[in-house]
Amino acid sequence: DGGITQSPKYLFRKEGQNVTLSCEQNLNHDAMYWYRQDPGQGLRLIYYSQIVNDFQKGDIAEGYSVSREKKESFPLTVTSAQKNPTAFYLCASCKGNTGELFFGEGSRLTVL
Amino acid sequence: GIQVEQSPPDLILQEGANSTLRCNFSDSVNNLQWFHQNPWGQLINLFYIPSGTKQNGRLSATTVATERYSLLYISSSQTTDSGVYFCAGTQTGANNLFFGTGTRLTVIP
Repeated sequence: DGGITQSPKYLFRKEGQNVTLSCEQNLNHDAMYWYRQDPGQGLRLIYYSQIVNDFQKGDIAEGYSVSREKKESFPLTVTSAQKNPTAFYLCASCKGNTGELFFGEGSRLTVL
Repeated sequence: GIQVEQSPPDLILQEGANSTLRCNFSDSVNNLQWFHQNPWGQLINLFYIPSGTKQNGRLSATTVATERYSLLYISSSQTTDSGVYFCAGTQTGANNLFFGTGTRLTVIP
């Protein structure tokens, strides 16, 4: 089945450690996105990529990094520079030029 | 960016009741979508509705782009409808979806 797969679903990390969240899609979508959600809040854009080897900062990119070496994959690294990394992270991809987004199941990161 | 206001913020319904959720935008939007976030956190697409009206079973949505709002109707609500409903849209020429803070719906049996 086509879809967006995020891993891991749950992740614990110590302060000062970097962690990478995986996002893979087999929908043949060009654009991919990373959002962050805090409790009781909506989603905020971290980074997005419209084509391979290109990506743009969103509203809250500080402390995060991404790469887009393959169309199917858009991993997000949460670095030690991110001051408050505990959150729910959602990856999405966009169908063609319509702007219609589809989301993965999310990764919940907790910093101890 | 645009501001997205959703109302009501919380809603409790008896099973079988109908409801209307509203989404207002501070500026013109494109690519308006409605999502349902289930208890496990996954965002499920409900409607992609830049304008007009669509229906899918017990749910329907209407967007009046010229007046910068959208409505989501839920009829004959069921306990499985519980969760948080988000609307989101992009500004003209932009790729970033701006989200509201959601409406938390609880349907009680």
